[in-house]
Amino acid sequence: ESVLTQSPGTLSLSPGERATLSCRASQSVSSSYLSWYQQIPGQAPRLLIYGASTRATGIPDRFSGRASGTDFTLTISRLEPEDFAVYYCQCYGSALYTFGQGTKVEIK
Amino acid sequence: EVQLVQSGAELKKPGESLTISCTGSGYRFTNDWIAWVRQMPGKGLEWMGIIDPADSGTRYSPSFQGQVTISADGSLGTAYLHWATLRASDVGIYYCARLVSAQSGFDLWGQGTLVIVSS
Repeated sequence: ESVLTQSPGTLSLSPGERATLSCRASQSVSSSYLSWYQQIPGQAPRLLIYGASTRATGIPDRFSGRASGTDFTLTISRLEPEDFAVYYCQCYGSALYTFGQGTKVEIK
Repeated sequence: EVQLVQSGAELKKPGESLTISCTGSGYRFTNDWIAWVRQMPGKGLEWMGIIDPADSGTRYSPSFQGQVTISADGSLGTAYLHWATLRASDVGIYYCARLVSAQSGFDLWGQGTLVIVSS
């Protein structure tokens, strides 16, 4: 079972800035099985990215994902006020599903 | 509208049993898997297990195996999460989520069910 470690724990940025979130897997994870989610406080999570780099339906193109070996990155090119939230990566492997511990993107 | 609708908040005592539900609409419920995800207060997301409503085949996270039971009734378009004996540590919000394939991610989520366990 792969463990996903997200960094940083908290990212303090201003609207309009670029956010780069990292997710590192402890074992090899196929990029096909890596997803990213956004959770706004008080709401259910929302799928942003699947297959490491494919945006889910309705997700704006300021969100992008990239994979490099066991390192995965979610980038928000220009933060909008509604983007301040907690982001989770998630993978599938060995018949199990795993979430990272989350990165909080907060307003600086 | 394609949606998953979960049952309402629950307040239970330690030792009691509980079943919460998740009903899908707007799509063929038996085509896709349903997962359950726990979120303890102020914490992250934890995958508990998953069920194929077409044949009730299940898989559990090792952390939750034996602690809960996942079931489904495809004819009702509903999945269930059951505790035989609740503990105070079971407090949290429980989400159901749809999985079309392992590659597709959990693309549709229920609104969550708050479970409070307190004497």
